[in-house]
Amino acid sequence: AQSVTQLDSQVPVFEEAPVELRCNYSSSVSVYLFWYVQYPNQGLQLLLKYLSGSTLVESINGFEAEFNKSQTSFHLRKPSVHISDTAEYFCAVSEGSKTSYDKVIFGPGTSLSVIP
Amino acid sequence: DAGVIQSPRHEVTEMGQEVTLRCKPISGHDYLFWYRQTMMRGLELLIYFNNNVPIDDSGMPEDRFSAKMPNASFSTLKIQPSEPRDSAVYFCASSLRVPVSPLHFGNGTRLTVT
Repeated sequence: AQSVTQLDSQVPVFEEAPVELRCNYSSSVSVYLFWYVQYPNQGLQLLLKYLSGSTLVESINGFEAEFNKSQTSFHLRKPSVHISDTAEYFCAVSEGSKTSYDKVIFGPGTSLSVIP
Repeated sequence: DAGVIQSPRHEVTEMGQEVTLRCKPISGHDYLFWYRQTMMRGLELLIYFNNNVPIDDSGMPEDRFSAKMPNASFSTLKIQPSEPRDSAVYFCASSLRVPVSPLHFGNGTRLTVT
């Protein structure tokens, strides 16, 4: 069975500083990996995803994540955060089953607070 | 594209009452997911459908919970009878094709059972 671990429940960081949100997963088969973001009183939105190919994936707003199979990690990074990045970030995994990869499991989330 | 629509946005009910949460997925999406979010347990997958057929309901906590998808444009999650520990935000999400297409989430239903 798959599971997702996000080691940091809360991450405070000053504006324009770099940030890394950690994500580790456990799975014995191939997986697809995602980061979703949730703003207050809203549903989750896809930030970026790894399906195949280059292990480094980027979002349109400056976030990037790197898939590391040996360490079973998919950490999210941004070199310089903005106030508007304050939100809850969820790592998610989709694990291969007999016929498809359609079960998406989310980690517990990391609350990113950007301090002016 | 109106997105995934959930109703009601807020529901307050007394213990023992029946609660029905509703979801209208994005037109053309083949997958529909129900998640529950709490501070203690995070975001839990309750059940998901593919082409209106329930595929995996292993996350449904008890027999008090049931979900249906009578057609491609409507799904319900019912709790009968409700209990205070069911208080949470319930999200519905739909997807064209998992995992290559993202999950599109509704704004959730905040359920409070007193």
